[in-house]
Amino acid sequence: NAGVTQTPKFQVLKTGQSMTLQCAQDMNHEYMSWYRQDPGMGLRLIHYSVGAGITDQGEVPNGYNVSRSTTEDFPLRLLSAAPSQTSVYFCASSSRDSRGVVFGPGTRLTVL
Amino acid sequence: AQSVTQLGSHVSVSEGALVLLRCNYSSSVPPYLFWYVQYPNQGLQLLLKYTSAATLVKGINGFEAEFKKSETSFHLTKPSAHMSDAAEYFCAVSDEGNDMRFGAGTRLTVKP
Repeated sequence: NAGVTQTPKFQVLKTGQSMTLQCAQDMNHEYMSWYRQDPGMGLRLIHYSVGAGITDQGEVPNGYNVSRSTTEDFPLRLLSAAPSQTSVYFCASSSRDSRGVVFGPGTRLTVL
Repeated sequence: AQSVTQLGSHVSVSEGALVLLRCNYSSSVPPYLFWYVQYPNQGLQLLLKYTSAATLVKGINGFEAEFKKSETSFHLTKPSAHMSDAAEYFCAVSDEGNDMRFGAGTRLTVKP
């Protein structure tokens, strides 16, 4: 049981490049989310999903796309990276009954 | 939408002293409330959660929090601080455990 896994751990991009942050969970959780963490701002919700085929926007969705084709995977896509997207990104999952969230180890992204 | 405010971005205590980290919430529905801890360069770990059962919630590592509806508060306490408690602590609120909103965080320093 690996929990929530994220790849890559570190990434450096140039402005305008695109990339996908991968997230997978093996706990059969219905809910999955993406957060970004910036100093002094806590964690802010980017997008979330309540099940395969269903996604919704969080607090800061602009510049990011998501899809949920399977229960296990919830990739986050940056179509055209900007320096303002330099951050640490956390993926998380939870079951409908747990009332708590399990976090992945994070991806540290730098956009130059 | 629900939100939380953490009072004090930095708290410093001496080893053995009481730890008190403050969190106030805003929610239009009965909330689920959480405290998470983050050690340097690591992900978030759940300390405890309130899900409308007992108002005094006990968590890991000797921490506890009390839900006070009249004060809209969910402060985190520990009777005696250890050096290993030095970390950043996040309060969070959700209405169903998925669309979770975090406070800005409180960094706890423990002095010998």
